[in-house]
Amino acid sequence: DGGITQSPKYLFRKEGQNVTLSCEQNLNHDAMYWYRQDPGQGLRLIYYSQIVNDFQKGDIAEGYSVSREKKESFPLTVTSAQKNPTAFYLCASSISGGAQYFGPGTRLTVL
Amino acid sequence: AQKITQTQPGMFVQEKEAVTLDCTYDTSDQSYGLFWYKQPSSGEMIFLIYQGSYDEQNATEGRYSLNFQKARKSANLVISASQLGDSAMYFCAMRDETSGTYKYIFGTGTRLKVLA
Repeated sequence: DGGITQSPKYLFRKEGQNVTLSCEQNLNHDAMYWYRQDPGQGLRLIYYSQIVNDFQKGDIAEGYSVSREKKESFPLTVTSAQKNPTAFYLCASSISGGAQYFGPGTRLTVL
Repeated sequence: AQKITQTQPGMFVQEKEAVTLDCTYDTSDQSYGLFWYKQPSSGEMIFLIYQGSYDEQNATEGRYSLNFQKARKSANLVISASQLGDSAMYFCAMRDETSGTYKYIFGTGTRLKVLA
């Protein structure tokens, strides 16, 4: 089955910790995206990547970092510099310009 | 600047009736794409339907159709014969190509509740 997986489903972070959210796709899509969703809000773009070893900042990149070493994988690290990281994080992939296909999301909570 | 506006925070519809969810967009590009997604309470976003700016016909996918009015910059989603399982958040999105790469802008969403 082709699709996108995200892990973990729930993640708890202590103050000052970095945490990494996993995103893997087997759809052979070139483009991958990370979004943040706060309660009752739309999606805000954190980072995106059109090809391996290249990525661009989105609208709210501060306090986050990514890597794209493989076509299938686009992990997101939430660093201690992100002061309000509690949110729902969604990963997506697409062929260039096409519809996005999303993973099930990771819910991050700061303790 | 590119922008998507969804003015209906919440909508109710009776089961088996049709409902229209509004979406207006703002862009100076001639080439763009418009998408609708459904987000059930589980959180996963599900792609529903796509309309390209040069498509002459309104897009349809099963019970979903997109009422595309280019001059008015609107791309409303019509759901026919509503079902209880249609209760969810619905997001309109637009493909933004201005940076030379593809990214997507989302509206704030409309929460639809289907009543039995």
